[in-house]
Amino acid sequence: SQKIEQNSEALNIQEGKTATLTCNYTNYSPAYLQWYRQDPGRGPVFLLLIRENEKEKRKERLKVTFDTTLKQSLFHITASQPADSATYLCALPWGFQKLVFGTGTRLLVSP
Amino acid sequence: EAQVTQNPRYLITVTGKKLTVTCSQNMNHEYMSWYRQDPGLGLRQIYYSMNVEVTDKGDVPEGYKVSRKEKRNFPLILESPSPNQTSLYFCASSYRRQGSGANVLTFGAGSRLTVL
Repeated sequence: SQKIEQNSEALNIQEGKTATLTCNYTNYSPAYLQWYRQDPGRGPVFLLLIRENEKEKRKERLKVTFDTTLKQSLFHITASQPADSATYLCALPWGFQKLVFGTGTRLLVSP
Repeated sequence: EAQVTQNPRYLITVTGKKLTVTCSQNMNHEYMSWYRQDPGLGLRQIYYSMNVEVTDKGDVPEGYKVSRKEKRNFPLILESPSPNQTSLYFCASSYRRQGSGANVLTFGAGSRLTVL
């Protein structure tokens, strides 16, 4: 079955640095990959989608890469701020209209 | 404002007492789904609905029922709740993006359920 892996350990970085989160998957050839942000006790919020034929996608301070050979996506936040502290989830499609989520990586940005 | 509304947000109940968590969306989305989120296990899909009167099981459907009589509403029913259904529940709706055909989810704020 498909498997999505995200680093379960929290990532601690200083304000202003670039945060890089990893999403690895196996037994899978997704047409696209999505990233969501989740704050404590809140529902996930969609951030970015990258298709299999796109190597990189940017949105303001966010950048996502998608390497279908390595079966990996990297999620970067440049010039990180304490307000970026949250859990970030990657999600891949499975079947028709179903999304499967990784367990997420918690990001902590300290001032 | 486009949103998915769940109620109740918090509920403490006892084993065996039937309960319903309501979910409503105002975006005219055809697809709706329910997830539960547990520490270390992430989001797991319970049930989903492709459209009115069309529902199907997700990965963890045992102990749950759903119905989709109207496009905007997708209630989750726990006929006889048990302690292992203590969890954080999320309703989501979505549309398929033109071009990529990707399914982008809009989530509700969550319903924290405790079964004693």
